[in-house]
Amino acid sequence: AQSVTQLDSQVPVFEEAPVELRCNYSSSVSVYLFWYVQYPNQGLQLLLKYLSGSTLVKGINGFEAEFNKSQTSFHLRKPSVHISDTAEYFCAVGGSGGSNYKLTFGKGTLLTVNP
Amino acid sequence: EAGVTQSPTHLIKTRGQQATLRCSPISGHTSVYWYQQALGLGLQFLLWYDEGEERNRGNFPPRFSGRQFPNYSSELNVNALELEDSALYLCASSLAGLNIQYFGAGTRLSVL
Repeated sequence: AQSVTQLDSQVPVFEEAPVELRCNYSSSVSVYLFWYVQYPNQGLQLLLKYLSGSTLVKGINGFEAEFNKSQTSFHLRKPSVHISDTAEYFCAVGGSGGSNYKLTFGKGTLLTVNP
Repeated sequence: EAGVTQSPTHLIKTRGQQATLRCSPISGHTSVYWYQQALGLGLQFLLWYDEGEERNRGNFPPRFSGRQFPNYSSELNVNALELEDSALYLCASSLAGLNIQYFGAGTRLSVL
């Protein structure tokens, strides 16, 4: 079984400040890790993914995430946020093979960027 | 290139009716996934179709069903609608053998 814990349900920050959204996961098998963003009344957009290789992955809109196997974490970071980054962010894990191709999502972190 | 497309955008039904939601995957993608995003319950996996077959199913009652057509598009059917079925239903697609899922904009189902 897989599970994802997003440690903060809401993160308020000021524009141009750095931000970190925390995600921890558990899985008994090898997994892929993802961050998705959901803007109001829209679907999910893939921000970035970790499949294998380098533990630091870069995504769209200046976001990056670091995979830490020993701490089972996959935290999302951005050095300087914009008002337009206000959205809900979801961390997800998915199987890398076999029949386990569903994604298991965390409960989401609402990032609010204030002027 | 077109992304995942879902129709309709909104659907309003009354309790006991049936709802049909549709999804067209990204061109070249053969796997289609359905998720429910209900208020307070988060994103829950519903169904996974690949090459026309149901490969995996989430913890939902049998009145949630679907199918995948030869052109890889998919349909989600919800029978005997209940008020708690009101949610955003998201469809995703991926290439065969690669679990990287791309999502559509969703269908918002309201059950009155």
